[in-house]
Amino acid sequence: GENVEQHPSTLSVQEGDSAVIKCTYSDSASNYFPWYKQELGKGPQLIIDIRSNVGEKKDQRIAVTLNKTAKHFSLHITETQPEDSAVYFCAASVHDYKLSFGAGTTVTVRA
Amino acid sequence: EADIYQTPRYLVIGTGKKITLECSQTMGHDKMYWYQQDPGMELHLIHYSYGVNSTEKGDLSSESTVSRIRTEHFPLTLESARPSHTSQYLCASSETGNRAYEQYFGPGTRLTVT
Repeated sequence: GENVEQHPSTLSVQEGDSAVIKCTYSDSASNYFPWYKQELGKGPQLIIDIRSNVGEKKDQRIAVTLNKTAKHFSLHITETQPEDSAVYFCAASVHDYKLSFGAGTTVTVRA
Repeated sequence: EADIYQTPRYLVIGTGKKITLECSQTMGHDKMYWYQQDPGMELHLIHYSYGVNSTEKGDLSSESTVSRIRTEHFPLTLESARPSHTSQYLCASSETGNRAYEQYFGPGTRLTVT
């Protein structure tokens, strides 16, 4: 099955700086790559996703890039704010709609 | 955005008890999923359903069972709870069509078995 690795496991950034989280996947047939944000006491929330026919997607301060050749994708958060502090998960899916998740990155934005 | 509900939010129960975790969604999504999230935070798929009367086991072996009698309802049952079942259980759903991959999660049930 699909194996997704996520780095780093923890990330501390100064408010206003950028944060980057990287994920690699093993199954070259994977075609959908979402990112989820999980705040304390809540379920994961979909924040952005990208499909295999697109190299980059941006939504305000967040962006995702995909390199199919290298089988890795990244989440970029610019101008970080305290409310960006959360656990972020990457995931990958092949055609059967099931998601394989990375282990998560705990992001702390220092004021 | 899906409205998906889980009850109870927190449950502390003794070993050997039978429990059912409830999950309901109001968006008419065909696909529903159960994940187990351990203290290390990684999510593991334990059950999924692509429609009424259709259930499959996920990638992580689980002693729980599920049923899908109605589209909006996907309960998870443990016949005899054990301390090893202590975990957070998350339910999710997704629709058909172009957005079938987009899974929306409920708030989770944190289960503690003593």
